[in-house]
Amino acid sequence: GIQVEQSPPDLILQEGANSTLRCNFSDSVNNLQWFHQNPWGQLINLFYIPSGTKQNGRLSATTVATERYSLLYISSSQTTDSGVYFCAVGGTGSARQLTFGSGTQLTVLP
Amino acid sequence: DTGVSQDPRHKITKRGQNVTFRCDPISEHNRLYWYRQTLGQGPEFLTYFQNEAQLEKSRLLSDRFSAERPKGSFSTLEIQRTEQGDSAMYLCASSAQNTEAFFGQGTRLTVV
Repeated sequence: GIQVEQSPPDLILQEGANSTLRCNFSDSVNNLQWFHQNPWGQLINLFYIPSGTKQNGRLSATTVATERYSLLYISSSQTTDSGVYFCAVGGTGSARQLTFGSGTQLTVLP
Repeated sequence: DTGVSQDPRHKITKRGQNVTFRCDPISEHNRLYWYRQTLGQGPEFLTYFQNEAQLEKSRLLSDRFSAERPKGSFSTLEIQRTEQGDSAMYLCASSAQNTEAFFGQGTRLTVV
């Protein structure tokens, strides 16, 4: 099946700093989503971005499908941005499920 | 619509007991998924329904696990004869055709 790798696994930032999270995937995809998992375990949708670039406030994402990677940018980070960020992809075959990476644990210090 | 809803939020059970979880998807979504997440890992796919039909099952879904989606609305996931290795967060998600998936709050299962 499709493989998803996220980097870095851990990231510690000072409040106000910018960061870039990366997601590499091993095959063509028809779905790519970025999630933030809150401390209670719920996955919060950030972006649905199988290709192209989107922005939402301080967050933006870019997926280059032909090169099989996606980037999540967080600007002017805040302590509330702390948590685990997951990239998940859906393949182009008959399977419909998302395959998740192992996540990036982000800690923003005040 | 308040999103995907799961019940219960937490469940503690003794080894060997059966447990059942419920998921209510977003009402207009015809696709429903179950995932399992253990500590420090990303969620892993268990099974997928399109309307009432169960179309995909992961190898993770042993014979002790069964899922249903009667009438294509809510879904239940039952684990029989629970084992300590079943302790995990069980997540439900729903989506419309070829669109993004939305997840519920999850059910955290602890088997003691």
